Amino acid sequence: GAGVSQSPSNKVTEKGKDVELRCDPISGHTALYWYRQSLGQGLEFLIYFQGNSAPDKSGLPSDRFSAERTGGSVSTLTIQRTQQEDSAVYLCASSLVAGNSPLHFGNGTRLTVT
Amino acid sequence: AQTVTQSQPEMSVQEAETVTLSCTYDTSESNYYLFWYKQPPSRQMILVIRQEAYKQQNATENRFSVNFQKAAKSFSLKISDSQLGDTAMYFCAFMKHEGGADGLTFGKGTHLIIQP
Repeated sequence: GAGVSQSPSNKVTEKGKDVELRCDPISGHTALYWYRQSLGQGLEFLIYFQGNSAPDKSGLPSDRFSAERTGGSVSTLTIQRTQQEDSAVYLCASSLVAGNSPLHFGNGTRLTVT
Repeated sequence: AQTVTQSQPEMSVQEAETVTLSCTYDTSESNYYLFWYKQPPSRQMILVIRQEAYKQQNATENRFSVNFQKAAKSFSLKISDSQLGDTAMYFCAFMKHEGGADGLTFGKGTHLIIQP
């Protein structure tokens, strides 16, 4: 596709369930980022991938959060045992290379934990 | 670590007016990039304008221009002849030259409302 694609667009889940969010970056983009945007807040960095490896996982808020990227393309962000405070918009972005290339964002996944 | 501060949570102007959104940042890096992103209700973050710190000339993109003051660590966005479609959240962002870990550091945003 022409842009970064994220699915699902919206997800409502019950507290305690696991959820998986998907990001399909722009073809050829080697760098991939996940951000979390809570209501009325800026973007909080979660994790960065260069190819398939994640050199920086320091932004993940707890061990319930994990992410992987396979084949240097699609990435999934998994949240286990969801809590109400996990409710937010999760944004994915990709760039051609890390540094000196602007990030291109998807439309995000709005996660609501009830 | 870098910090980005946007001191105006919300601004409202009349259509066709000029508006300036402020942004300051703090960093020990000497080479970096600064960005303004627009986020309309569709949620997608759209790149508005980009500035390389080593360039003294202020970036411009049609009705959008910046006032980059490196010594003051200030990076304001000016929107001329504002249009209804400019209504959105605007985020100022900082990226180290090598990018990567840290990605972009964002401010908390300014909600800009263009009144008809």
